[in-house]
Amino acid sequence: QSVLTQPPSVSAAPGQKVTISCSGSSFNIGGNSVSWYQQLPGTAPKIVIYDNDKRPSGIPDRFSASKSGTTATLGISGLQAGDEADYYCGTWDNKLSAGVFGGGSKLTVL
Amino acid sequence: EAQLVESGGGLVQPGGSLRLSCVASGFSLSSYWMTWVRQGPGKGLEWVANINEDASKIYYVDSVKGRFTISRDNAKNSLYLQMNSLRDEDTAVYYCSRGIYSSTSYWGQGTLVTVSS
Repeated sequence: QSVLTQPPSVSAAPGQKVTISCSGSSFNIGGNSVSWYQQLPGTAPKIVIYDNDKRPSGIPDRFSASKSGTTATLGISGLQAGDEADYYCGTWDNKLSAGVFGGGSKLTVL
Repeated sequence: EAQLVESGGGLVQPGGSLRLSCVASGFSLSSYWMTWVRQGPGKGLEWVANINEDASKIYYVDSVKGRFTISRDNAKNSLYLQMNSLRDEDTAVYYCSRGIYSSTSYWGQGTLVTVSS
């Protein structure tokens, strides 16, 4: 049971937009910045969003994110086959004094 | 170009020990918080431990406290994870990562640890 809650799977057609939610508490999302990671099949995770809504260099603006209270949301627009991956949210938990991740959401591009 | 290379994984019996290493190149490890993250077979990411730039701050997930020790040698540009009293549930790919929450976050390719009799 992950501290952060994500839907196990999401799907949408190419060119469409999909959103992935990440729900937590005041100890983690509510009090700290959220990051999002993309893990393509058979590879290491890669950060796609940091500081709630910022994109690292090289990440296309099709990737967006927001945070409200204890819920963070990742959005991916203009879906491409290459976006098929597992996506994880992550942040620090002040009560646990440890990092925490969501359980991951598998994105399928139909 | 930044690179992180993990090593030290392998097959170990329950109750055994392993020491993982993560060597950095292309950047100075001394400038970053470093983190170990693991991923069990077919499972999601699990944060394991992190250590700040001068090793004055160290944190662990509850399930490894008292069994795992994270350390670093900035002179050798290296990060370590000493794992003792290993259990079946410690079986995972172990990744080292720099700046896990920052724009410069970077992950190694991982090393597989299998705990089995």
